[in-house]
Amino acid sequence: QQPVQSPQAVILREGEDAVINCSSSKALYSVHWYRQKHGEAPVFLMILLKGGEQKGHEKISASFNEKKQQSSLYLTASQLSYSGTYFCGGRGGKLTFGQGTILTVHP
Amino acid sequence: NAGVTQTPKFRILKIGQSMTLQCTQDMNHNYMYWYRQDPGMGLKLIYYSVGAGITDKGEVPNGYNVSRSTTEDFPLRLELAAPSQTSVYFCASSSPSGTYEQYFGPGTRLTVT
Repeated sequence: QQPVQSPQAVILREGEDAVINCSSSKALYSVHWYRQKHGEAPVFLMILLKGGEQKGHEKISASFNEKKQQSSLYLTASQLSYSGTYFCGGRGGKLTFGQGTILTVHP
Repeated sequence: NAGVTQTPKFRILKIGQSMTLQCTQDMNHNYMYWYRQDPGMGLKLIYYSVGAGITDKGEVPNGYNVSRSTTEDFPLRLELAAPSQTSVYFCASSSPSGTYEQYFGPGTRLTVT
């Protein structure tokens, strides 16, 4: 069963912050985050391997709560280049992707 | 390194035709994957392989077949194409060590009419 992401879409102005959530109904031992620009392939952002550990990539960070099987992606001081669709992938065996969150950043 | 390459980039098939989507990686990764992505949707795993000669089904394997005779190549075969197989197909690879980061190819856009 695939992870569930929320919200489905986010619209921001440059410099604003956003949070994307990912929730799984089954136990995971890692969560992956990818970003996909329109018409391009997904690109790896980060992996969360331990409960509660935060990782960072530029001004993007994430956390993973093992007990709740939830992960959140934090985008700080958003830039135009952050626009795209963000996918979380839960690994409880094979990697299963959520449905994606469309992030649009306007000037 | 070229990374993960896929051919063709675009293809139009008639219902009932067959074709093979090619995927090659030059990173010496053991793990390789095939995904399909329908418009506005996430990635669905079709098949994956953990090494040459070893393949296994993913979430949506029906209508597809794979083989893995070398570490570098992981072709996906579509038999008797159906309109429901219209999608963008991505091949990816990863190493079993480290972060399991998946490297994706540029994708093949397939239309079945």
